[in-house]
Order: sequence, then C-alpha cells, then structure tokens
Amino acid sequence: LAKTTQPPSMEAYEGQEVNVSCSHTNIATSEYIYWYRQVPHQGPQFIIQGYKDYVVNEVASLFISADRKLSTLSLPWVSLRDAAVYYCIVTARGSALGRLHFGAGTQLIVIP
Amino acid sequence: ETAVFQTPNYHVTQVGNEVSFNCKQTLGHDTMYWYKQDSKKLLKIMFSYNNKQLIVNETVPRRFSPQSSDKAHLNLRIKSVEPEDSAVYLCASSIGVNQDTQYFGPGTRLLVL
Repeated sequence: LAKTTQPPSMEAYEGQEVNVSCSHTNIATSEYIYWYRQVPHQGPQFIIQGYKDYVVNEVASLFISADRKLSTLSLPWVSLRDAAVYYCIVTARGSALGRLHFGAGTQLIVIP
Repeated sequence: ETAVFQTPNYHVTQVGNEVSFNCKQTLGHDTMYWYKQDSKKLLKIMFSYNNKQLIVNETVPRRFSPQSSDKAHLNLRIKSVEPEDSAVYLCASSIGVNQDTQYFGPGTRLLVL
C-alpha cells in the first residue's frame, strides 16, 4: 500500500478556494486515490475519488499529476462547514479486503 | 442524511466491565466495518463483515468480538475493557467488499475509567 503525505494543517478565509495536497510517491498502477473528510463528532465522509488527470463533482475537484505521485483536492468557496480533517487515501480498487488506511490527514481551519 | 446508525453515542465505564455497541445501516450494503479512532484521531480498521461473514480481523485483542445477526447489523462487544480501549468506535458500510466508498456512522465514544 502506498504511503501518503499531507500537510498537517492549513488555514483559509471563508470564500477562498482551498487546495489540499497529497504526496503518494510509491503509488501502484492498481491504486486509486480517495479523499474523505471528517468534521468533529462525526464519521469520515467520502468526497471524491480518481485515478488520473482531473475529476470533478458537486463538492470538490481532484487534480492528479501526470506521474500520479501527487494529487490536489480543491474546494471552491470554503465555508465554516468545510472546517474538517481531510484524508487522502490510496488503495487498490477491487482489493479483496476492502480496507481504507487513514493517515493523520490535513486539518483545515476556516477563518470567518 | 444519516444512513449508518450507531448506539450509544457515549459510554463511560470502569475497567473490567463488558460493553456492547450497536450499528445498523439502511443502505442495503453487503459489507460493514468497525474502526477505532484513538486520541490522536488516527483511524484503524478492526473488523470487516461481508454478508455476515468475517473477512478481516486486524489482530485486535481477543476481548473484542464483532457480532452480526444480518447484513444490516454489526455490533461490537468488548469483554473486560481496559483503559487503552478508550476511543471512538466508528461503524461503516459499503456496497460490497471490493467497493472502497464507505459510509460511516457518527461513532460511539468510549471512556474507560
């Protein structure tokens, strides 16, 4: 399983776009990139997933570098509700174990 | 909208007692999981159940035992709790064992005195 590296924390003002980076230098060809977030007193919530290039949904967008060693989660127009810990996870799709290995994540602090 | 339900929200107990946590999902998923989140907020998988069959046991202590009556329910029993068991226990589900999009409940916070 590829190890991921994220900044421990970030700060942003309400209304700003936020980009959270994740390094996964040993990612395997079978592995996908997943992003979850967790707000206090709740369980993690799935945000987005991707394999290469660019993925976008109604919540966020995900850019993956050409060599797939770096991904960036982009949150447009953050609000106070986006204050959470953001987890980048790399795992093989279709793995028989179905496990997610969570790292320490990135604590996003949103300033009013 | 919540679709993975956990009870209780909080539980305080003393060392040596037995506790039991409940989890129910209304998503029709086949696979359910238990995770432990420690004081440093690190999440670690404990068990996975696919359609009532245990498929993963991450070598947790024997005092932990998952219990499943059907694929919508996965409970967790801890016999003789110890101080290091204080944590948040998170239940999750996914469509199948090969699906990595998991849906989590709000967690049960356990404090062992």
